Amino acid sequence: DAMVIQNPRYQVTQFGKPVTLSCSQTLNHNVMYWYQQKSSQAPKLLFHYYDKDFNNEADTPDNFQSRRPNTSFCFLDIRSPGLGDAAMYLCATSRAGSTDTQYFGPGTRLTVL
Amino acid sequence: QKEVEQNSGPLSVPEGAIASLNCTYSDRGSQSFFWYRQYSGKSPELIMFIYSNGDKEDGRFTAQLNKASQYVSLLIRDSQPSDSATYLCAVNKEFYAGNNRKLIWGLGTSLAVNP
Repeated sequence: DAMVIQNPRYQVTQFGKPVTLSCSQTLNHNVMYWYQQKSSQAPKLLFHYYDKDFNNEADTPDNFQSRRPNTSFCFLDIRSPGLGDAAMYLCATSRAGSTDTQYFGPGTRLTVL
Repeated sequence: QKEVEQNSGPLSVPEGAIASLNCTYSDRGSQSFFWYRQYSGKSPELIMFIYSNGDKEDGRFTAQLNKASQYVSLLIRDSQPSDSATYLCAVNKEFYAGNNRKLIWGLGTSLAVNP
């Protein structure tokens, strides 16, 4: 089945220790998104790729970086996690030019100690 | 004014009743409207999308869109305890010319269906 996969599902890191979250998709969608979601809040868009074109949201901290080495994979790097970065990180994909329906992976729950 | 507004709830309905969830949006240029269901600790799951005025039905779910009044609603018929979740409304917003759009999210409405 076509799907969006995120690894790991749960990630525990220490304050200031870099962490990388991964996302892969078999939907062949050209747009990939990274969201941060905290409890009882809406998903917050961090950045997205339209093909290889990277688009950063204005309020995304510099601490967050992303890479998309190919159509199927996208990575979220948190260079120096703080306690405030503990959250669910969601990867989503869509096909540009359609209805913009976004399909989500299961998410990665990040804990910062 | 928030771009997408929903009542946070909780909305509590008895099993078998109709649950009505509402969402208003501010951008008249929005073209696509989405309802996602999110269980606690899980990722959002697409329930329905709608882009034409009127009703769109899918099983027990009906989405209603009124662009003149800038609201979109979701009706859940014969509500079941398994429908208990947070329902997120999302609206697309063009931020690049052409095909590149982002979704603007509401905070969600918590629905509790009581057996």
